[in-house]
Amino acid sequence: QQQVRQSPQSLTVWEGETAILNCSYENSAFDYFPWYQQFPGEGPALLIAIRSVSDKKEDGRFTIFFNKREKKLSLHITDSQPGDSATYFCAARNEKITFGAGTKLTIKP
Amino acid sequence: AQTIHQWPVAEIKAVGSPLSLGCTIKGKSSPNLYWYWQATGGTLQQLFYSITVGQVESVVQLNLSASRPKDDQFILSTEKLLLSHSGFYLCAWSSRNQDTQYFGPGTRLLVL
Repeated sequence: QQQVRQSPQSLTVWEGETAILNCSYENSAFDYFPWYQQFPGEGPALLIAIRSVSDKKEDGRFTIFFNKREKKLSLHITDSQPGDSATYFCAARNEKITFGAGTKLTIKP
Repeated sequence: AQTIHQWPVAEIKAVGSPLSLGCTIKGKSSPNLYWYWQATGGTLQQLFYSITVGQVESVVQLNLSASRPKDDQFILSTEKLLLSHSGFYLCAWSSRNQDTQYFGPGTRLLVL
């Protein structure tokens, strides 16, 4: 069964700190990994994505680090802001897309 | 720019009653379309996908059905709602041969 696991389930960091959200997967055939940000009552929005041929993808304060050998990736949010408080979903795709259970991130001012 | 609209925004329905949820994509021709279900605080579960008008594939069985009557429209329905149907229903689209899916604002459903 294709699975995508996220940890921690919830995370609280202080404003200005770096938040690190983890994701791992089982299927070596996954080759595309998008991260989505979801605020309560809204649909998920694509935040940043990486392909398996890369080991790092950066977009402003958001960076994905990808380790293909260990089948792990992480999303780093630097200089965290209260507006970053949301649930973050890691997803993986080969023929279809599979979502993790999400990490609820809270940024304390 | 592409826009995705879902209706209604929210519904409160009785167990055993019928349901119809809609999704419309504007500004994109021949998109792939998807329906997802999300429990409160839960992950995203893909229910159906469609790559063309009149063709819908089921991913999981939840006593729901889907149809694509037009290129830009995707409908989710059931004749008899169950309590377990409560949740957040999301429509998404992607371009052909593209990996990224883009989600709509969702419909909140409460079945009593």
